[in-house]
Amino acid sequence: DTGVSQDPRHKITKRGQNVTFRCDPISEHNRLYWYRQTLGQGPEFLTYFQNEAQLEKSRLLSDRFSAERPKGSFSTLEIQRTEQGDSAMYLCASSLMEGPGVSDYGYTFGSGTRLTVV
Amino acid sequence: AQKVTQAQTEISVVEKEDVTLDCVYETRDTTYYLFWYKQPPSGELVFLIRRNSFDEQNEISGRYSWNFQKSTSSFNFTITASQVVDSAVYFCALRTYKYIFGTGTRLKVLA
Repeated sequence: DTGVSQDPRHKITKRGQNVTFRCDPISEHNRLYWYRQTLGQGPEFLTYFQNEAQLEKSRLLSDRFSAERPKGSFSTLEIQRTEQGDSAMYLCASSLMEGPGVSDYGYTFGSGTRLTVV
Repeated sequence: AQKVTQAQTEISVVEKEDVTLDCVYETRDTTYYLFWYKQPPSGELVFLIRRNSFDEQNEISGRYSWNFQKSTSSFNFTITASQVVDSAVYFCALRTYKYIFGTGTRLKVLA
């Protein structure tokens, strides 16, 4: 296992099109996170899963965004009807949470998917 | 509310100068982690250091050093004898279960 993998690395799409990104976490990790980084900003939290359950969604995640992790392994992030403001780097991360009150381990970021909406 | 402030948007130094990047954080949690990441032009986040909220010992790693002061909620990062390869955007971050990143400081080291 070489870390968190994201596909594709780059995506250029026309405004109004739908796009889907994939994230493969580190295999033993039960938590998976999505972040978005726009130009000149730090990454911002979007949502996270523990196993297949989506536990939190940021207000940044509009109705056009949907994330899934159907089998508790890989995750997809879909953006419908893309807008130019969606252009950003989308980062995925994963970690291992062993139980309540215990810090998670091995929090690792992927290299990201850079989306450009033209 | 949780927040990380990096007041310095951009810093330029001449090679071999020392430079300090400032970071101030806000949280009501008593257990948290603080991080510094480097982001070169290629875009990936490169982990530099992690400190937990109970460990205020300063740390030195080669040319890098970190000063964590809970009394002032600061976690500053110093690069000694800067090099051109240090040029990048540096992010300070606070983490409980999710990361809160600052807006980053762009460091330019000029030859």
